[in-house]
Amino acid sequence: LAKTTQPISMDSYEGQEVNITCSHNNIATNDYITWYQQFPSQGPRFIIQGYKTKVTNEVASLFIPADRKSSTLSLPRVSLSDTAVYYCLVGGNRDDKIIFGKGTRLHILP
Amino acid sequence: KAGVTQTPRYLIKTRGQQVTLSCSPISGHRSVSWYQQTPGQGLQFLFEYFSETQRNKGNFPGRFSGRQFSNSRSEMNVSTLELGDSALYLCASSLDHSYNEQFFGPGTRLTVL
Repeated sequence: LAKTTQPISMDSYEGQEVNITCSHNNIATNDYITWYQQFPSQGPRFIIQGYKTKVTNEVASLFIPADRKSSTLSLPRVSLSDTAVYYCLVGGNRDDKIIFGKGTRLHILP
Repeated sequence: KAGVTQTPRYLIKTRGQQVTLSCSPISGHRSVSWYQQTPGQGLQFLFEYFSETQRNKGNFPGRFSGRQFSNSRSEMNVSTLELGDSALYLCASSLDHSYNEQFFGPGTRLTVL
C-alpha cells in the first residue's frame, strides 16, 4: 500500500482557491486516489476519488499528473466552513489496509 | 437512505473491563471497517469485514477483535481495557471495499478510567 505525504497544515482566506498536494511515489498500477474531509468529533466524509487526469464534482477537483506520483485536491472559493482536516489515501487492492495518515489541517481565515 | 449508525455514542469504562461497540452499515453495503482515532496517533485502521469474514487487520493487539453478522452489522470488542484505549471509535461502510467511498458513522467515544 502506497504511503502518502501531505503538508501538516495550511492557511487560506475566504473566497480563495485552495490546493492541497499529496505525494504518493510508490503508487501501484491499480491504486485509486481518494480524499476525505473531517471536522472535529465527526467521522471523515468522502470528497472525491480519481485514477488519472482530472476529476471534478460539485465540491472539489482532483488533478493527477501522468506519472500519478502526486495528486492535488482543489477547493474553489473556500469558506470558513471548509476549515477541517483533509486526508489523502491511495489503495486499490483487495488486501489493502486503509491508511489515513495525519492529514492536512486547513484553516480558513475571514 | 439511513446512514451508518453506531451504538453507544458514549461509554465510560474502567481499566480491565471489556467493551462491545456496535455498527449498522448502510443498507446494501457489505464492507465494514473500524478505526480508532486519538489526538496523538490520528486515525488508525483496526480491521475490515466483508461477508462475515475479516479481510484485513491493522496493527493492534489481540485484545481488539470484531465480527460481522449475515446482515452486515458489525461489532468490535476490546477486552482488558487500558487507559490508552480511550479514543473515538469510528465505523465505516462501503459497497464492497474500504478503498472505495466509505461512509462513516458518528463514532463511539470511549473513556477508560
